[in-house]
Amino acid sequence: SYVLTQPPSVSVAPGQTATIICGENNLGSFNVHWYQRKPGQAPRLVIYDDTDRPSGIPERFSGSTSGNTATLTITRVEAGDEADYYCQMWDSSSDHTRGEHVVFGGGTKLTVL
Amino acid sequence: VQLQESGPGLVKPSETLSLTCNVSSGSVISNVYYWTWIRLPPGKGLELMGYIYHSGDTTYNPSLKSRVTISVDTSKNQFSLRVNSVTAADTAVYFCARVVLYSGYVDSWGQGTRVTVSS
Repeated sequence: SYVLTQPPSVSVAPGQTATIICGENNLGSFNVHWYQRKPGQAPRLVIYDDTDRPSGIPERFSGSTSGNTATLTITRVEAGDEADYYCQMWDSSSDHTRGEHVVFGGGTKLTVL
Repeated sequence: VQLQESGPGLVKPSETLSLTCNVSSGSVISNVYYWTWIRLPPGKGLELMGYIYHSGDTTYNPSLKSRVTISVDTSKNQFSLRVNSVTAADTAVYFCARVVLYSGYVDSWGQGTRVTVSS
């Protein structure tokens, strides 16, 4: 089964760039998505299919994948970006009946200093 | 689409947790979406519990499969979650949500409902 590994926390000063990494063997072969969750709110999709941004998500948010890693990058970080960020993978080629093809990472708390 | 969870906020240990998600401004009968339950235990990460297609076909998280049942009622445009034999470890915020087929991302979420397991 898959385990997505994220750093528990990332800290960045306003205006700087935040990089959040998600790791699993061969992750670049799967669909990877990213969610932002602020306290008391439902998660919000910020990146889907590795690199695509839903409408309404600022261009400051971008995603990439390569090899065993997926990366969420937030440029020109603002105080309002402070939240928990979760990666999620979907292995579209495996047997879905076993339920092992979809996994969330443990989450990364982004702190804006 | 809008999703809204409903159900008891307090469940006793060993009993059954039951939640319903009402879907509005959209139909559960769709060939491009699954319908899912995801939970967030305090201090932990998101956990997808399982999902269902409008036909009734289900897929469950293998770690929960023996205790979880997800069902759909197309006549009421809603789907439901049952978790048997709950313990304190099932205390969480429970979200119903919509998953896009093939890519597997969650594009719509309910606001979430907090369920506490305690005697």
